Amino acid sequence: GQSLEQPSEVTAVEGAIVQINCTYQTSGFYGLSWYQQHDGGAPTFLSYNALDGLEETGRFSSFLSRSDSYGYLLLQELQMKDSASYFCAVMENSGYSTLTFGKGTMLLVSP
Amino acid sequence: IAGITQAPTSQILAAGRRMTLRCTQDMRHNAMYWYRQDLGLGLRLIHYSNTAGTTGKGEVPDGYSVSRANTDDFPLTLASAVPSQTSVYFCASSEGKDTDTQYFGPGTRLTVL
Repeated sequence: GQSLEQPSEVTAVEGAIVQINCTYQTSGFYGLSWYQQHDGGAPTFLSYNALDGLEETGRFSSFLSRSDSYGYLLLQELQMKDSASYFCAVMENSGYSTLTFGKGTMLLVSP
Repeated sequence: IAGITQAPTSQILAAGRRMTLRCTQDMRHNAMYWYRQDLGLGLRLIHYSNTAGTTGKGEVPDGYSVSRANTDDFPLTLASAVPSQTSVYFCASSEGKDTDTQYFGPGTRLTVL
């Protein structure tokens, strides 16, 4: 079977750093993506890792370890607007491939 | 550029009725997808289409059908709606091969009574 595990909820304060972990067990693996969804809104793409290591995009970074079937999303200098749900998603094959999403982590940022 | 549009925004439907959710993209993307989102269950793939004229089943296809007559449109049909199909439905598209980004529409909130 396929499964992605991520914490259901994480809380942090403004200005802090938070890490959202994702472990996956899938039949194939090509890459790991992260999506953000504000309440009532559409998911939007944040980052993608196909190779081991860290990818940095502004305040957000994403890490992948293929050997550990593990990745994380790192959010720095948290702002209130970062309060949202964050989903990891695995792309299992190259070429035409669907995504399998985790159940999501709700991040609550407080003042 | 609108990206992806979905219609209707929301709908209340009596059980047993037929309903088609519409999805249109103007990015000329090859691949399109339909997801349902339920509290605590994340996004689950219903059906997908890699190119116009082809479709495939996702994780939860039962009770739903799709068609892909052209590149831009990907309607989702509930032939006979049941209360368990109450959900938020998202359409998405991507360029296709070796792509890493899906672009999502605003969603349709469907309630089946």
